[in-house]
Amino acid sequence: QAGLTQPPSVSKDLGQTATLTCTGNSNNVGHQGAVWLQQHQGHPPKLLSYRNTTRPSGISERWSASRSGNIASLTVIGLQPEDEADYYCSAWDSSLTGWVFGGGTKLTVL
Amino acid sequence: EVQVVESGGGLVQPGGSLRLSCAASAFTFSKFWMSWVRQAPGKGLEWVATIKEDGSDKYYVDSVKGRFTISRDNAKSSLYLQMSSLRAEDTAVYYCASIYAGYWGQGTLVTVSS
Repeated sequence: QAGLTQPPSVSKDLGQTATLTCTGNSNNVGHQGAVWLQQHQGHPPKLLSYRNTTRPSGISERWSASRSGNIASLTVIGLQPEDEADYYCSAWDSSLTGWVFGGGTKLTVL
Repeated sequence: EVQVVESGGGLVQPGGSLRLSCAASAFTFSKFWMSWVRQAPGKGLEWVATIKEDGSDKYYVDSVKGRFTISRDNAKSSLYLQMSSLRAEDTAVYYCASIYAGYWGQGTLVTVSS
């Protein structure tokens, strides 16, 4: 089953802004919207955003998400060392009738 | 506090079977679609199966169709994954999750090896 496309890695300096992208199609990201997950090594995923832009309670305002057509984006401002992690996007695909995931982006804070 | 706790993982030989369980608490389990998501060692997340709130519909990734069965017991706030004809490529940490709600367990490791 086809997945979503994410860049394998992004590196930014401490305190800078990073934007991660996730490309899907009209059956998934463009239709149902994306969720964004953060995963630190050895830990389960943590939800950062759902329905394209909604941030769960307890998630820092440094995180924001958006969507333009079939591309979802996750932006973090003021990068901190603890932001170094793997980030996954996912969406329900109405054609495949299942969830599709991106391959993940490893965010490195320099 | 929301809790999602998986159990039932372990070492199984190729061709064998295993049943995973997931116990949920502190949220209205019966109102949420629930899923199993797996992660092979050093790899990304892969969706395995999803079941609707009332169990009326079930969805599977192609690679497990006919081998895995997802089910739930809303009275017990529990989710299950019956796995059979296991293969080496099924080796992974299996997470129980309500993906939209952001409820994830810690995962249970399934190792398929002789």
